[in-house]
Amino acid sequence: EAGVTQFPSHSVIEKGQTVTLRCDPISGHDNLYWYRRVMGKEIKFLLHFVKESKQDESGMPNNRFLAERTGGTYSTLKVQPAELEDSGVYFCASSQERVKGSPLHFGNGTRLTVT
Amino acid sequence: AQSVAQPEDQVNVAEGNPLTVKCTYSVSGNPYLFWYVQYPNRGLQFLLKYITGDNLVKGSYGFEAEFNKSQTSFHLKKPSALVSDSALYFCAVRDIQTDKLIFGTGTRLQVFP
Repeated sequence: EAGVTQFPSHSVIEKGQTVTLRCDPISGHDNLYWYRRVMGKEIKFLLHFVKESKQDESGMPNNRFLAERTGGTYSTLKVQPAELEDSGVYFCASSQERVKGSPLHFGNGTRLTVT
Repeated sequence: AQSVAQPEDQVNVAEGNPLTVKCTYSVSGNPYLFWYVQYPNRGLQFLLKYITGDNLVKGSYGFEAEFNKSQTSFHLKKPSALVSDSALYFCAVRDIQTDKLIFGTGTRLQVFP
């Protein structure tokens, strides 16, 4: 089966610009998660979709971040306007069931650099 | 609050020697513990997990981890390191209340030939 795919792999933008990250989960996975790792720090939870509904968005840093999952398939994460502290690697993950023992399947991540 | 600590930023080991990457956790209740690995320019790959049962769990690529409840540790181990094991390793605990994965800061493993 195809894994979780993320696009783009890298993005370099200037402060104030807008960037949209995309995630295609594994087919059939209802659960989709966004995480972020800022350089040298831990990977932090951003939000969780179950199908097209936001189950938990408590990790979203502020209202400059907007996540959507239209139709319960792929998801986008938009940052508008981008700030320097938004730089980092954004990971998407999916899982089939919300079973606490089931591991998440991660994509390769999008490395975002805001200059 | 649930948390994970990886006290070493980097671990260096010679090829063929045993390796240990340390992880300690703080949770309320029974922990659900995971190890993930990130190879260069790749995503996070699941290595192994502890949910219940035997304290020694075996995972991919010859790795294993030992759950120690009294020491609240879940150290990752491998009897004989390979150069190809060089990567970034993350320990994580699943927050039972919120279902989120809580990660440590990561440990870079460098295996020298």
